[in-house]
Amino acid sequence: DTGVSQNPRHKITKRGQNVTFRCDPISEHNRLYWYRQTLGQGPEFLTYFQNEAQLEKSRLLSDRFSAERPKGSFSTLEIQRTEQGDSAMYLCASSSEAGQRTEYFGPGTRLTVT
Amino acid sequence: AQSVAQPEDQVNVAEGNPLTVKCTYSVSGNPYLFWYVQYPNRGLQFLLKYITGDNLVKGSYGFEAEFNKSQTSFHLKKPSALVSDSALYFCAVSPLRNDMRFGAGTRLTVKP
Repeated sequence: DTGVSQNPRHKITKRGQNVTFRCDPISEHNRLYWYRQTLGQGPEFLTYFQNEAQLEKSRLLSDRFSAERPKGSFSTLEIQRTEQGDSAMYLCASSSEAGQRTEYFGPGTRLTVT
Repeated sequence: AQSVAQPEDQVNVAEGNPLTVKCTYSVSGNPYLFWYVQYPNRGLQFLLKYITGDNLVKGSYGFEAEFNKSQTSFHLKKPSALVSDSALYFCAVSPLRNDMRFGAGTRLTVKP
């Protein structure tokens, strides 16, 4: 399968711990997006990469959130000092430049902070 | 503020009847407009988008959407609903190419 993959699919952590999620986009896609989705809401845009450049990060929820895409392929989203309010589904999507922002979403990583 | 509204949390239709899922937006400029669908335990799937041109856009699974600039709406439609269309539908707007705003979603239930 050559779709967007995310790991892990589920993560349970204790408050105050750091967590890191990985996203592997569709191989020919140069754009990668991170979203957060809470129950009963639509996805909330967090950040966006074009190749290895992070072109938009003002929507990251706080300075505890950071993302990287060091070689322009996979990306990681890190949350430091997790809080219970961080419990949500974290979604990754990718698109090609020619796709005019038609995004292909991964299955998500569900984070539970206890 | 830039926003997307899906005024109905839930839409119920009978199989074979036409369906409409509503979306209105409040953004400046000429945004890209999208519809995505989310089935249980599956990721979001792209249905269709409006960039420019013909106001009626055709997409996957027989869905279409009509862009109305004066009403700032982008309603999703299908002439004949199937039970398998039952899912959560999201409207999204990209006001700037580095941003995307999703509505809260509308749950569509098609009854046999």
